[in-house]
Amino acid sequence: GQQVMQIPQYQHVQEGEDFTTYCNSSTTLSNIQWYKQRPGGHPVFLIQLVKSGEVKKQKRLTFQFGEAKKNSSLHITATQTTDVGTYFCAGKASGSRLTFGEGTQLTVNP
Amino acid sequence: DADVTQTPRNRITKTGKRIMLECSQTKGHDRMYWYRQDPGLGLRLIYYSFDVKDINKGEISDGYSVSRQAQAKFSLSLESAIPNQTALYFCATSLGGNTEAFFGQGTRLTVV
Repeated sequence: GQQVMQIPQYQHVQEGEDFTTYCNSSTTLSNIQWYKQRPGGHPVFLIQLVKSGEVKKQKRLTFQFGEAKKNSSLHITATQTTDVGTYFCAGKASGSRLTFGEGTQLTVNP
Repeated sequence: DADVTQTPRNRITKTGKRIMLECSQTKGHDRMYWYRQDPGLGLRLIYYSFDVKDINKGEISDGYSVSRQAQAKFSLSLESAIPNQTALYFCATSLGGNTEAFFGQGTRLTVV
């Protein structure tokens, strides 16, 4: 079945440093979504990417979808303490269900 | 008020007991899901439903059952709880297969 793998599992950064999490699928995806879960909270949708090579930005967050539509990344520039949480990718192949990656837990030291 | 509401928020139960987790939504979405979250394992799909008459198994349905009582309500049951079902459970809804999912606040279940 479809598998979505996410690395790293944990990332500790100093405030102001950049952060990147990577997502890889075993199959070609029709779209990929990104979610953020704050500590003690629930996953909240950030963005969806659909097109090959697509790049979207939300303030300090940059999301990319690979040319082959099998990988994606989330990059945060100059992290802040408000960025703390777990970031999940979720990929969907045609005819399949949405499958979540394992998540990357980000901690930011002030 | 939350659009997707889960009850209870926390529950401790004994091994062998039957327990039901409830989810209700006011978003008017047809699609509802139950996920389980364990550290390092992400969100794993237990069951999902695309409408009131539709129930489908996810990747980890063994030991669980569900009921879709109405468009707005989707409950998850553990017929005989066991300790390795200790986890954080999330209900979610979506409008369609390619749209964002909206999650409830979660139910933290501990089986002792």
